[in-house]
Amino acid sequence: ELKVEQNPLFLSMQEGKNYTIYCNYSTTSDRLYWYRQDPGKSLESLFVLLSNGAVKQEGRLMASLDTKARLSTLHITAAVHDLSATYFCAVDMENTNAGKSTFGDGTTLTVKP
Amino acid sequence: DSGVTQTPKHLITATGQRVTLRCSPRSGDLSVYWYQQSLDQGLQFLIQYYNGEERAKGNILERFSAQQFPDLHSELNLSSLELGDSALYFCASSERVNTGELFFGEGSRLTVL
Repeated sequence: ELKVEQNPLFLSMQEGKNYTIYCNYSTTSDRLYWYRQDPGKSLESLFVLLSNGAVKQEGRLMASLDTKARLSTLHITAAVHDLSATYFCAVDMENTNAGKSTFGDGTTLTVKP
Repeated sequence: DSGVTQTPKHLITATGQRVTLRCSPRSGDLSVYWYQQSLDQGLQFLIQYYNGEERAKGNILERFSAQQFPDLHSELNLSSLELGDSALYFCASSERVNTGELFFGEGSRLTVL
């Protein structure tokens, strides 16, 4: 069974600081996704990482994937309050015709002034 | 706007009752997924349909059932409701049979009293 672990689960940051959220998964996969969820709202796709070494950047967020280490990181640069949300990573099982993304427990980020 | 439509947005009902949640996927998406999100159990995959057929099953209770109709909309039926069924139920859609990037609806918030 595929297990996805995120850490930290809760993160409180000062505005302007940098930090990294980690996503480890237990079996081989070459498809990983990052989603953002605001409180009480839906999940929004942020990044799709489809190969080893993939790196995607959008604004102050950058995601990377190391399939050999089974690790993805979401790096936050110079955090601002608007980034406060819960961030989920999700992983697809490899070589399956009937798939479902397995989600991590989410990292709740609070950016303080 | 993800293009995925869910109704109703909010639902309050009593224990023992039955409810139906409805989802219309993004135009062109053949896969529909149902997820349950609660405070204590996080985001749990329930079931996936692809082009009308069940493709993957997760932690779905026997009291719950789902189907996908020829027009690709899906319904999730929850019966003999218990207090613990109170949660946010998300529908998501994707192009692929084996997951891919998910596009989530706004969710249906179910409260069982």
